Amino acid sequence: AQSVTQLDSQVPVFEEAPVELRCNYSSSVSVYLFWYVQYPNQGLQLLLKYLSGSTLVKGINGFEAEFNKSQTSFHLRKPSVHISDTAEYFCAVSPFGQAGTALIFGKGTTLSVSS
Amino acid sequence: EADIYQTPRYLVIGTGKKITLECSQTMGHDKMYWYQQDPGMELHLIHYSYGVNSTEKGDLSSESTVSRIRTEHFPLTLESARPSHTSQYLCASSGTANTEAFFGQGTRLTVV
Repeated sequence: AQSVTQLDSQVPVFEEAPVELRCNYSSSVSVYLFWYVQYPNQGLQLLLKYLSGSTLVKGINGFEAEFNKSQTSFHLRKPSVHISDTAEYFCAVSPFGQAGTALIFGKGTTLSVSS
Repeated sequence: EADIYQTPRYLVIGTGKKITLECSQTMGHDKMYWYQQDPGMELHLIHYSYGVNSTEKGDLSSESTVSRIRTEHFPLTLESARPSHTSQYLCASSGTANTEAFFGQGTRLTVV
């Protein structure tokens, strides 16, 4: 079975500051990894995904994440945030080789960007 | 444009009423899912389907039921709504070749 732990429930930052949202996972098999963003009263939108290959993954809106197999982590980063990045962020996993299997989500991190 | 649609977006209904939340996708995906999202944001899988006439219960026990008569349609029904059913319900789909899930806008249900 897989599980996901998002280490911070809330992250407040000032505009133009860097940010890191932390995600650890647990799994007995290899996994695919994802970050989703949810704006108020909206569904989830895929930010980026790691399937294989380079451990540094770039996504939309200037976000990137790095897969660290030894630390079972997949932290999300952005060098300079904007007010519009204020949203909920979810880390998710699915077992490798089982494409389409239901994603397992962390509890989410609220990113609040202020001026 | 390929997409996934949920209706209604918002619903306020009285206790004991029967309701159906609609979900349709135009991407031809085999797999569809319903998640329940608590006010504190956490998502719980309540139902999933891997194809027509295939439905399974998810990790979180739910009094709702689902059906999958057509590939593109995956409605969720509550026979008798209760205040404890108040939540946001998110529908998602994924294809055989895809590894990520695509989400609808969600239905925010309030039972009074």
